[in-house]
Amino acid sequence: QKEVEQDPGPLSVPEGAIVSLNCTYSNSAFQYFMWYRQYSRKGPELLMYTYSSGNKEDGRFTAQVDKSSKYISLFIRDSQPSDSATYLCAMSGGGGGNKLTFGTGTQLKVEL
Amino acid sequence: GAVVSQHPSWVICKSGTSVKIECRSLDFQATTMFWYRQFPKQSLMLMATSNEGSKATYEQGVEKDKFLINHASLTLSTLTVTSAHPEDSSFYICSAQTGTSTDTQYFGPGTRLTVL
Repeated sequence: QKEVEQDPGPLSVPEGAIVSLNCTYSNSAFQYFMWYRQYSRKGPELLMYTYSSGNKEDGRFTAQVDKSSKYISLFIRDSQPSDSATYLCAMSGGGGGNKLTFGTGTQLKVEL
Repeated sequence: GAVVSQHPSWVICKSGTSVKIECRSLDFQATTMFWYRQFPKQSLMLMATSNEGSKATYEQGVEKDKFLINHASLTLSTLTVTSAHPEDSSFYICSAQTGTSTDTQYFGPGTRLTVL
């Protein structure tokens, strides 16, 4: 079993839809949770960074962390074609220090 | 802020040659830099962690004599792929972290290496 599980997709939604992306993990010691967006042939771009459980909102993006369920989510409101990318969840802590453990990434396509 | 650059963005080389990839933090000092490789449609796999002025720590299965990492300053780390072979063809991405281990990592744009 992978330490971080993420549905690879692809996920296709119409423009304006609410998108829900999720990751589950097995290491209960993870403390820091991140979502990155990666366009094709580019490096990952940090979208959201949260510590421990709770919600964080930034514009159209909302990140949720439920440590009791070992489950994190990223919601994208009013999705746009420019949101089409691969979304990677990542987490750290858990005895690994500052190393990031990534999910496999979910490929999202927002269609006109 | 928190911009990381990589050079070159892509490189094609012949089998058996060595290739150097640079990673620079442009507007902050990076005490720690990380090197990843990413195969098509796969996630990032950590290769090594480097701290300024000390030897890099390699992940299990990564050959330290093949992938030479130098972190000579707080803004520059280099990855040299020695005696490259076609199976080394991949997307290499660096990231940089500022101070403490709780700081997030900022990623470079990546370098696409093709070994013929």
